[in-house]
Amino acid sequence: EAQVTQNPRYLITVTGKKLTVTCSQNMNHEYMSWYRQDPGLGLRQIYYSMNVEVTDKGDVPEGYKVSRKEKRNFPLILESPSPNQTSLYFCASSLGDTGTDTQYFGPGTRLTVL
Amino acid sequence: GESVGLHLPTLSVQEGDNSIINCAYSNSASDYFIWYKQESGKGPQFIIDIRSNMDKRQGQRVTVLLNKTVKHLSLQIAATQPGDSAVYFCAEANQAGTALIFGKGTTLSVSS
Repeated sequence: EAQVTQNPRYLITVTGKKLTVTCSQNMNHEYMSWYRQDPGLGLRQIYYSMNVEVTDKGDVPEGYKVSRKEKRNFPLILESPSPNQTSLYFCASSLGDTGTDTQYFGPGTRLTVL
Repeated sequence: GESVGLHLPTLSVQEGDNSIINCAYSNSASDYFIWYKQESGKGPQFIIDIRSNMDKRQGQRVTVLLNKTVKHLSLQIAATQPGDSAVYFCAEANQAGTALIFGKGTTLSVSS
């Protein structure tokens, strides 16, 4: 089944403890992206990648890192999480390399930072 | 700056009615628009999209209308069903052509 998977789906952690949220797609998509979703603010892009080894900042990149060593994987790294990073996170991918195409979303990761 | 907005945060309809969800966008140069549906506890799900060289596009029970003159996008759902209850987002391509910019969403509630 063609899909975007994320792990973990739920995570509760403490301030300052490094964490990684994994994202994987099996559709051979070029473009991948991370969003966070907060009440009243909608979906905001954190980082995106147009191809392997090519990543760039979205609208809210502070406090996050990403890497794209393989086409199928795009992990989101929080080196030192803070409570304002408590949010619902979505990974997405699209076939083309521009991001202005149909993006397919994962199921989401709900992160709570205490 | 770029922004995509929706006219109403909530919409309540009766089962069987037609629903219209509206969206205003700001980037007059955008050439791509898309509607997503998000059910509780799930990720956004693609519904329908449209390029700027079109005014209308139809899918199964859904129609997207694009009015570039007034920068307005709408989603029409025919014969709305309880399973259509969800949050609906519009999105447009950003000016750099690198990402989608999402509106804040309209919650559609369908009562039977």
